Amino acid sequence: GESVGLHLPTLSVQEGDNSIINCAYSNSASDYFIWYKQESGKGPQFIIDIRSNMDKRQGQRVTVLLNKTVKHLSLQIAATQPGDSAVYFCAEDDSSGTYKYIFGTGTRLKVLA
Amino acid sequence: DTGVSQDPRHKITKRGQNVTFRCDPISEHNRLYWYRQTLGQGPEFLTYFQNEAQLEKSRLLSDRFSAERPKGSFSTLEIQRTEQGDSAMYLCASSLAGPPKQFFGPGTRLTVL
Repeated sequence: GESVGLHLPTLSVQEGDNSIINCAYSNSASDYFIWYKQESGKGPQFIIDIRSNMDKRQGQRVTVLLNKTVKHLSLQIAATQPGDSAVYFCAEDDSSGTYKYIFGTGTRLKVLA
Repeated sequence: DTGVSQDPRHKITKRGQNVTFRCDPISEHNRLYWYRQTLGQGPEFLTYFQNEAQLEKSRLLSDRFSAERPKGSFSTLEIQRTEQGDSAMYLCASSLAGPPKQFFGPGTRLTVL
């Protein structure tokens, strides 16, 4: 299948460790942020989202942190598993009201057994 | 499977030919988005529909590109006189009008020879 993100930053973690993937966004007026996971040859898969009026949101094994002061998002994955290996993208809405997303540069996560 | 579906999954064509892709969104979703993704990059917004109305088009969408959503359900994206630079993954996403969370389809990978 197609390989997504041949030249992306890569984060390698040991299976069972926690992963932290960082993202800087550009639009201080963005109201909504979202993380996607993309496996090779597949479309982006929703992981977790957060509104701008929140600093933190937790899901199952994942936590998103939002720091509006420095326009920074992070995705934390607890107890990383081999199935978590993929490219991760953050996205922000463009604040135009249509909620079209502006995607950041992805990060490839490699889980080492 | 009640997710977003796209057809075909892969398309190889010769330069100068026309191609058409189809997207079937999640049935109750009235918003539909098309994005384009090239190798090593995040998806880039192309166009957006609310029901049958095409409300926004990116400058990336040259006059060789046209999109329709005739009955507010499925959508088609046509590229006329394809060029090698059109080679990319074309992604469709849909969402409800309220919560902005977009669900992506598997994409159509276009290769222009």
